[in-house]
Amino acid sequence: GQNIDQPTEMTATEGAIVQINCTYQTSGFNGLFWYQQHAGEAPTFLSYNVLDGLEEKGRFSSFLSRSKGYSYLLLKELQMKDSASYLCAVLRGYSTLTFGKGTMLLVSP
Amino acid sequence: EAGVAQSPRYKIIEKRQSVAFWCNPISGHATLYWYQQILGQGPKLLIQFQNNGVVDDSQLPKDRFSAERLKGVDSTLKIQPAKLEDSAVYLCASSFLLAGDYEQYFGPGTRLTVT
Repeated sequence: GQNIDQPTEMTATEGAIVQINCTYQTSGFNGLFWYQQHAGEAPTFLSYNVLDGLEEKGRFSSFLSRSKGYSYLLLKELQMKDSASYLCAVLRGYSTLTFGKGTMLLVSP
Repeated sequence: EAGVAQSPRYKIIEKRQSVAFWCNPISGHATLYWYQQILGQGPKLLIQFQNNGVVDDSQLPKDRFSAERLKGVDSTLKIQPAKLEDSAVYLCASSFLLAGDYEQYFGPGTRLTVT
């Protein structure tokens, strides 16, 4: 079976840094995705990690440790528009994505 | 490039009625997915097509849900009869799946309310 855990909610203030953690247990692991989903909208791609380490893309960075079954998404210089749900998803094989329940991030002024 | 298209965007039906959703993937994407997203949850895969063949439908409630992708392009998902617990957003996604490009591109979804 598969198990993906991430916090349900997080709050932070504008300009701050926030780290959203994701732990997983799965077979056939072929990478981990992070998606952003604003209320009432479709998920949009943020990052994909398949090798251990940190991938940086502008204000967003994603980290993966395969041996620990652990990933995090780091958001810097938070803006109000970053208020959204952040979905951790594990890729098995070439095409099967299993999503966590999502972390709702609320950014306040 | 045009994104994944879905219609309708919203649908309200009574329990035991039937409903159908339509999806047109990004041009050239051979793989198409239907997900169900219940409020406060992550998307759950219902069915995955590769061209017009089913790759994975292990989580599709086959007694009431059906899906087809006859010409390997657009797809329809049907629920008959609907239950209250089917209230959710139904997301369609597509992917290219060549040269290590595993990203799935999502459509805007259809919000279904069953009363």
